[in-house]
Amino acid sequence: QITLKESGPTLVKPTQTLTLTCTFSGFSLSTSGVGVGWIRQPPGKALEWLALIYWNDDKRYSPSLKSRLTITKDTSKNQVVLTMTNMDPVDTATYYCAHGLYYFDYWGQGTLVTVSS
Amino acid sequence: DIQMTQSPSSVSASVGDRVTITCRASQGISSWLAWYQQKPGKAPKLLIYAASSLQSGVPSRFSGSGSGTDFTLTISSLQPEDFATYYCQQANSFPPAFGPGTKVDIK
Repeated sequence: QITLKESGPTLVKPTQTLTLTCTFSGFSLSTSGVGVGWIRQPPGKALEWLALIYWNDDKRYSPSLKSRLTITKDTSKNQVVLTMTNMDPVDTATYYCAHGLYYFDYWGQGTLVTVSS
Repeated sequence: DIQMTQSPSSVSASVGDRVTITCRASQGISSWLAWYQQKPGKAPKLLIYAASSLQSGVPSRFSGSGSGTDFTLTISSLQPEDFATYYCQQANSFPPAFGPGTKVDIK
């Protein structure tokens, strides 16, 4: 079955760079038609899509965050990595990775990242 | 970018009630719409995709309809496990956008 799990720091300081890793199983990101996305959710607020990487290494980013985001994949490790630069307290959120191209049918449990000095 | 709105923002209902949630896109998205259910402290769960297709394993009391700009999620007979927040998401164009959510709570 498909599973995903996010990992990374729970606390980062303002201006630091956040690096999150999504480790998945049950599918291959080298298979045509497969994608993995990142979505975040500030406490008590709605979901916000961040980025998506395709099986062919094509990438898409949220226009409002594009300058700060980088998404990469390591097919051999079944991992997708998201980096976000210049973190700010408003970036405090639960960050999810999810399987899918258009719709997200499998999600990780999420990881809460707090931005505070 | 396409903006998504939902109404109502919250609804109080009883077990057995029929509940309808509406989602509107700022421009036409054909049938490129999904609905998710999220319970506190949990990841969202895909319920409906392509506006009206039921995701595998989702109870048939959930249904979706609509196309273009206006969409509806209906729960035909609310069950205790259905109390949650529901989000729509457009998948017609990048960036994918989620609605603000509709909280269904106990009356």
